[in-house]
Amino acid sequence: DTGVSQDPRHKITKRGQNVTFRCDPISEHNRLYWYRQTLGQGPEFLTYFQNEAQLEKSRLLSDRFSAERPKGSFSTLEIQRTEQGDSAMYLCASSSGTSDTEAFFGQGTRLTVV
Amino acid sequence: AQKVTQAQTEISVVEKEDVTLDCVYETRDTTYYLFWYKQPPSGELVFLIRRNSFDEQNEISGRYSWNFQKSTSSFNFTITASQVVDSAVYFCALSEALRAAGNKLTFGGGTRVLVKP
Repeated sequence: DTGVSQDPRHKITKRGQNVTFRCDPISEHNRLYWYRQTLGQGPEFLTYFQNEAQLEKSRLLSDRFSAERPKGSFSTLEIQRTEQGDSAMYLCASSSGTSDTEAFFGQGTRLTVV
Repeated sequence: AQKVTQAQTEISVVEKEDVTLDCVYETRDTTYYLFWYKQPPSGELVFLIRRNSFDEQNEISGRYSWNFQKSTSSFNFTITASQVVDSAVYFCALSEALRAAGNKLTFGGGTRVLVKP
């Protein structure tokens, strides 16, 4: 399968715990995006990487959130000291290096903070 | 700031009926791209169509067609002869063409389409 892969698909955690999600983009794509989607809403942009460089972060990305993309391949999104408000679907997408191409999305990681 | 509005939250049709989804957008850019994505119950966003701001020609692709009107900032999407498998949430999205963050997408709130047999 050469699509965008996310792991885990579901995560239930207790409030205050740290969680880490992984995204493997389509191999030839140099751009990688993280979005958050809450129930009944459209996805909201969180952050963007071009290769290993994190070029933009949304104001939604508080200090408890950190994302990395070492070596410009897979990416991780970590949430520290989770809160109930962090419960959402976290979507990863990748695209090639031209601005007019579509982004391909993974199936997402659904986080539930209890 | 960019904004995408999908006024219809849910549409219910009977199979073989046509479904038109409305999308209105706001942007200060003169060059931008508009997209429609489908999100089935599995959760993965599936790309359907893309249109750039300097091409207002409307097209048909299989059962999908779209009506892009720059004068009214609308990018409506039609599914012809709907099928049960078309049941999903449909999102309209906008990206600016000339910016550092690649094709970062601004999504509308989505329209849930339910096609009944």
